[in-house]
Amino acid sequence: GQQLNQSPQSMFIQEGEDVSMNCTSSSIFNTWLWYKQDPGEGPVLLIALYKAGELTSNGRLTAQFGITRKDSFLNISASIPSDVGIYFCAGQVTNTGNQFYFGTGTSLTVIP
Amino acid sequence: SQTIHQWPATLVQPVGSPLSLECTVEGTSNPNLYWYRQAAGRGLQLLFYSVGIGQISSEVPQNLSASRPQDRQFILSSKKLLLSDSGFYLCAWDRGNPYEQYFGPGTRLTVT
Repeated sequence: GQQLNQSPQSMFIQEGEDVSMNCTSSSIFNTWLWYKQDPGEGPVLLIALYKAGELTSNGRLTAQFGITRKDSFLNISASIPSDVGIYFCAGQVTNTGNQFYFGTGTSLTVIP
Repeated sequence: SQTIHQWPATLVQPVGSPLSLECTVEGTSNPNLYWYRQAAGRGLQLLFYSVGIGQISSEVPQNLSASRPQDRQFILSSKKLLLSDSGFYLCAWDRGNPYEQYFGPGTRLTVT
């Protein structure tokens, strides 16, 4: 199957700091999704990206579809305690229908 | 608006017992449906997906099976559970292009 490398695996930051995480693939993707998961709950879709180079924002979150189509980035500005959780990237490989491959997640801890 | 339900929320079953997890989607028709398993809060593994009633694709050989008896109902089953079947089971849906997947609240399965 496809390999998605997500980094960093975990982050401990002070409230108010900005956060950056990324996801890379060995294959070209035609869609990137970013999710946030709270403990014991299902992942919640944050941002969807469909075009190489696309930059999309959702409040304090900004994600970009890499121009090589093999990577994506998620930035969180001015972090707050409720940003705590695990962030997942998911990519859809070109011409393989509706299968998504998920990264292993970035665990974010925000210290008040 | 669309909602996705899963039940039960938690389940403790002995090894060798059968399993039935149910997922239903409201507010849409002919969705694509997915079953994922998540171990230790990381890494979603795609188990099955379905593009229509009675159409099931399996991604991982195992002792689990899936069925889609109705358009918006997706069932995950097993005849005999293994210890390794423990995990967090997530159902998801999308409309097809664009492929934005939305997850249910999950079922925590513990096999003892």
